[in-house]
Amino acid sequence: KAGVTQTPRYLIKTRGQQVTLSCSPISGHRSVSWYQQTPGQGLQFLFEYFSETQRNKGNFPGRFSGRQFSNSRSEMNVSTLELGDSALYLCASSLDSRAFFGQGTRLTVV
Amino acid sequence: DQQVKQNSPSLSVQEGRISILNCDYTNSMFDYFLWYKKYPAEGPTFLISISSIKDKNEDGRFTVFLNKSAKHLSLHIVPSQPGDSAVYFCAAVLKSNFGNEKLTFGTGTRLTIIP
Repeated sequence: KAGVTQTPRYLIKTRGQQVTLSCSPISGHRSVSWYQQTPGQGLQFLFEYFSETQRNKGNFPGRFSGRQFSNSRSEMNVSTLELGDSALYLCASSLDSRAFFGQGTRLTVV
Repeated sequence: DQQVKQNSPSLSVQEGRISILNCDYTNSMFDYFLWYKKYPAEGPTFLISISSIKDKNEDGRFTVFLNKSAKHLSLHIVPSQPGDSAVYFCAAVLKSNFGNEKLTFGTGTRLTIIP
């Protein structure tokens, strides 16, 4: 079974731009969550989608948004990028209360 | 407000000895706890979990202890091996009445095993 796939792996954007990250969950997993990892902040929860509906949201500004498609694939969008948005963004798909993570997208904002 | 805390950012242990990673939490309503291991440039991988109604769970070289009165859990790795060098994240899960689950992670502890 293929694992969680995130694309792209690396991304460089300039301040003010917007970015879209993609996540394909493990086949059969309907729950997809997004996390931001920065040094010193650990893994911070962004949001969770289940069957195309957002059912949990973390404490991030409205510039961070997401969606889930009928095939469970999910996208995360960040608008008006700031330097502080530079981080590793991880996606996880869940089944039976266990989260399986992708390799992440390393976003650098310059 | 950091509900899950890992106060030691790093830990070095001699190969063959015991590694003890600690985690404290503030919310007594968490339903269960997990430990994840993360290598550079990879996503975290699940290691072991423990329900809030248990005080110990063991899986091979890994044992997790939960002290609910102290709101503290620890991961013991024995014997420690060089491949155990990684960042370890503690996570707590809160289940809602609707069956939703939310993971809250600690900031991680970098474990280095010295050969």
